[in-house]
Formats: sequence, C-alpha cells, structure tokens
Amino acid sequence: AQKITQTQPGMFVQEKEAVTLDCTYDTSDPSYGLFWYKQPSSGEMIFLIYQGSYDQQNATEGRYSLNFQKARKSANLVISASQLGDSAMYFCAMRANAGGTSYGKLTFGQGTILTVHP
Amino acid sequence: DVKVTQSSRYLVKRTGEKVFLECVQDMDHENMFWYRQDPGLGLRLIYFSYDVKMKEKGDIPEGYSVSREKKERFSLILESASTNQTSMYLCASSLLGLTNEQFFGPGTRLTVL
Repeated sequence: AQKITQTQPGMFVQEKEAVTLDCTYDTSDPSYGLFWYKQPSSGEMIFLIYQGSYDQQNATEGRYSLNFQKARKSANLVISASQLGDSAMYFCAMRANAGGTSYGKLTFGQGTILTVHP
Repeated sequence: DVKVTQSSRYLVKRTGEKVFLECVQDMDHENMFWYRQDPGLGLRLIYFSYDVKMKEKGDIPEGYSVSREKKERFSLILESASTNQTSMYLCASSLLGLTNEQFFGPGTRLTVL
C-alpha cells in the first residue's frame, strides 16, 4: 500500500520569500510518480509539478521546484518568490505502478494550508 | 482547453434519498475517478474506472456505487444518503500512464440532512 504524509497542517510565509512544503511517501514499488496540486479557496484542484522516481534531476516549473530525495522518500515542494495568490491548500500525491488496473490511482496526503503575508 | 464538469456545485439532500452525482470530461480520457475531500483527511478515492463499464473500488467504496456507460461520463451514486456522506466530492480524469496528471472538476459540496 502507498502512503503520503504531509506533517505541516499550516505554513506562513512573507511575500517574495521562498517556502518549502514537506511531503514524505512510502511505497514498495520501484516505479512511481509524485505530484503536487494546489487548491485555492474556490475549490478547484490545479496541477503544479510532477517527479518520476527514475528522473535524474529535480523537476521545476516556473517558481515551483520539487526537492526529490529518493533515499529519504521525500518530495518537498519549494515555492520561490511567494505571491499573495499562492495562498491555498497544497496536496502531495503519489501514483505507483502497481501493475494491472491500479496504475491510475493517486494517493493523497492530508494537505498543507499556505498563507502568504504581504 | 481541457475540461471536467460536475452536475452541481452545491447539493442538499435528505437522509435516505438516492443521490446521483454526474461527471463529464471532454478530453477522451480513459481513466475517471471519484474522490471525497474532508478536512484533515485529504482526498480519498471512492471508485475509479479505466474503461467503459469497468470499475474498481477505491479506499472507501462503502455506501457508494458508480456507473460508466459512456467514456466521457462517470456517475457516483449514493443509494441511500446518510449524514456521514456530507462532504466535498471531486471528480477527475486522466490518460492512462504513470506520468499523466489528473484533471479535476470544480467539486460538488453535498450536504445530507
């Protein structure tokens, strides 16, 4: 079974500063993918960034980067130069290649609420 | 532009009623999913489908059923709604494959009185 843990229920950051949101995972599958989603107060889930377990480099997408430490089973999201619009709930999720029909499933963490202060 | 739509943003039902939540995607995705989201618990998978008429149980299928008669439509059914099914319900779809992200609908906030 897969498990995702986000230990920070809430985080605060000053505008224009960087912030790291923690995510640890557990799986016995050698092949898996890690995702981060943003959920603003309006409720829609917005895909941010993806990291594959065999990717050699950390994923980056604009101001988002993923600090992937495979040995520690962590996949922390780093947001640089925070903006007020970054205030939202952030979810880490994992898809493991368990074979058969289950490879589409995502397992989500509990989420972290990020508040950006002006 | 990719799109997943859900039939209602807000729904109020009474205990014991049969409830249908509809989800439609226009991206020709094979996979479709139903999650419920509760504070402190994140998103939990109820059911998913990888093809028409195919379905698999997720982590919390009890009290729910699903139907997928057409590729673009995935319905979640609460046979007899109960108050503990009050929640936010999110539908998602994706292509097959490990690297493909899921696209989410706007969610339906269901209240069961």
